[in-house]
Amino acid sequence: KQEVTQIPAALSVPEGENLVLNCSFTDSAIYNLQWFRQDPGKGLTSLLLIQSSQREQTSGRLNASLDKSSGRSTLYIAASQPGDSATYLCAVLDGPLQGAQKLVFGQGTRLTINP
Amino acid sequence: EPEVTQTPSHQVTQMGQEVILRCVPISNHLYFYWYRQILGQKVEFLVSFYNNEISEKSEIFDDQFSVERPDGSNFTLKIRSTKLEDSAMYFCASSPTTTYGYTFGSGTRLTVV
Repeated sequence: KQEVTQIPAALSVPEGENLVLNCSFTDSAIYNLQWFRQDPGKGLTSLLLIQSSQREQTSGRLNASLDKSSGRSTLYIAASQPGDSATYLCAVLDGPLQGAQKLVFGQGTRLTINP
Repeated sequence: EPEVTQTPSHQVTQMGQEVILRCVPISNHLYFYWYRQILGQKVEFLVSFYNNEISEKSEIFDDQFSVERPDGSNFTLKIRSTKLEDSAMYFCASSPTTTYGYTFGSGTRLTVV
């Protein structure tokens, strides 16, 4: 059974710092990995999608990497801003080749950027 | 940018009542999903739906739950007889293929009292 773990559970840094959020998964047979942002009491906003054949994806100040063989992904946020404060969720898409796949989520990293 | 729309944003219901949560997926997507997040816990899979039938369901999705696509645009989750432990944020999602990225709606917060 796929398990997704995110470290750290919470992170507080001053504005302007670069930071890395970590995600690990137990079964490397995934189709893709998606990073989401969740503001308190709100929905899930997709940030980056990395297909299993890719090593990284970039969008603005965000860069996500994927190492399937070691079961790890990182989300790098450059020049952090107070508006980046949110919970960041990692989710892997797995399931049988012939059948329905589903997203398995980590518990999230709660990020606070201090002005 | 296309969105997944969920209504209502918040629903309060009495234990034992039936509730219907509504979703409008992105129009050209073919795969639809419901997930839920109990406060302080992980987002967890409930059910996937394709070609007017359930593709897969989790152990959470028992007989009190049902899904339906009553027309070409809506996708609903019905909880027949709500329990206190059904209180959670319910998210609808859609995707164009099984292995493409998902787009989630903003969620319905269900409170059972």
